[in-house]
Amino acid sequence: DQQVKQNSPSLSVQEGRISILNCDYTNSMFDYFLWYKKYPAEGPTFLISISSIKDKNEDGRFTVFLNKSAKHLSLHIVPSQPGDSAVYFCAASRGGATNKLIFGTGTLLAVQP
Amino acid sequence: EPEVTQTPSHQVTQMGQEVILRCVPISNHLYFYWYRQILGQKVEFLVSFYNNEISEKSEIFDDQFSVERPDGSNFTLKIRSTKLEDSAMYFCASSDNDRRRFFGPGTRLTVL
Repeated sequence: DQQVKQNSPSLSVQEGRISILNCDYTNSMFDYFLWYKKYPAEGPTFLISISSIKDKNEDGRFTVFLNKSAKHLSLHIVPSQPGDSAVYFCAASRGGATNKLIFGTGTLLAVQP
Repeated sequence: EPEVTQTPSHQVTQMGQEVILRCVPISNHLYFYWYRQILGQKVEFLVSFYNNEISEKSEIFDDQFSVERPDGSNFTLKIRSTKLEDSAMYFCASSDNDRRRFFGPGTRLTVL
């Protein structure tokens, strides 16, 4: 099931710079997208989400952009901090809250001090 | 801030044994889920639960799996006869109507 893809397994950025994490999807029926942060041996922590009726959502240092025509979303973290180092997953769903999330494979972000 | 809790944090069992994984969702949430992550793989959906019944389940969620909300606070996942391939991190999640899912810390299940 490759409906949600994160093609970069890892990303390294300097502290204070921008981190851009990318995610592509294939199912045009997806209408809600989420980003999660995950540390080893912990559960995914919700970061930010976006509905398909929007193309941008911002929350503090985190901004998610959605390009429906390209079936692409990205998460921008500005400025990046060492505590942001973790695995980031994008996830997608369609329909209501009972419906499943489809997760990507994750991108390991390392923020260098 | 309210959070999802799960017990135990680590469960070791013998193949063929039954296990029950427990979760306490966020108190005002109405939708409940189980996901799992086998080491090195994606987080995978198992089941969603709403209004005291299963709403959706994946192919993984076969007859060996069941879920229950025995009271107003707990949500459990039972695996009747565990297999080696059931070894994974199991995550409970809950949501209210806004579709954001909040996950618990997980239970690491090891089947020997």
